[in-house]
Amino acid sequence: GQSLEQPSEVTAVEGAIVQINCTYQTSGFYGLSWYQQHDGGAPTFLSYNALDGLEETGRFSSFLSRSDSYGYLLLQELQMKDSASYFCAVPSGSARQLTFGSGTQLTVLP
Amino acid sequence: SQTIHQWPATLVQPVGSPLSLECTVEGTSNPNLYWYRQAAGRGLQLLFYSVGIGQISSEVPQNLSASRPQDRQFILSSKKLLLSDSGFYLCAWGYGAGGETQYFGPGTRLLVL
Repeated sequence: GQSLEQPSEVTAVEGAIVQINCTYQTSGFYGLSWYQQHDGGAPTFLSYNALDGLEETGRFSSFLSRSDSYGYLLLQELQMKDSASYFCAVPSGSARQLTFGSGTQLTVLP
Repeated sequence: SQTIHQWPATLVQPVGSPLSLECTVEGTSNPNLYWYRQAAGRGLQLLFYSVGIGQISSEVPQNLSASRPQDRQFILSSKKLLLSDSGFYLCAWGYGAGGETQYFGPGTRLLVL
């Protein structure tokens, strides 16, 4: 089976940088995904890492180390609108169905 | 562009009543379809997925069932709801292998009383 661990809460101030870590245990690994979910909303895709290294998309970056079964999401120049839950997830099986971590609630303070 | 619809947005049902939630996708063909449930303040739990018409895989044994009568339609059902069925139900679509991104619908909030 698959299991993922991430911190339950992170708090930071506007303009700061925050890193949300995720460790995983999987039987078969394709890659690590990150999703953002605002209160009351649906998850939206942020990034996917299949290979080791850092992927940058604007203010958000995602890192993967397959040998360490570890990844992180890096959010720079934090804005109030970044307050949300962030989930790491791994796809598995022929349908690439997702197993999600329990989520990290990010609170950005003014 | 692709869009995914779910309805209803909110539903309040008594224990023991039936359930039918519908999800439709537009702008894509032969997608993989998924049903997830999210309890308040928790992560998403995969309930069912489908790789084609009439093909349903169940991840968690429960009193829910799913059907895919058409390529872009995915239905979640129950004959008798339990209190524990309350939650946020999310439908998603993706391309599966080679396209690991999943796109979520707006969700249905179900409260069973």
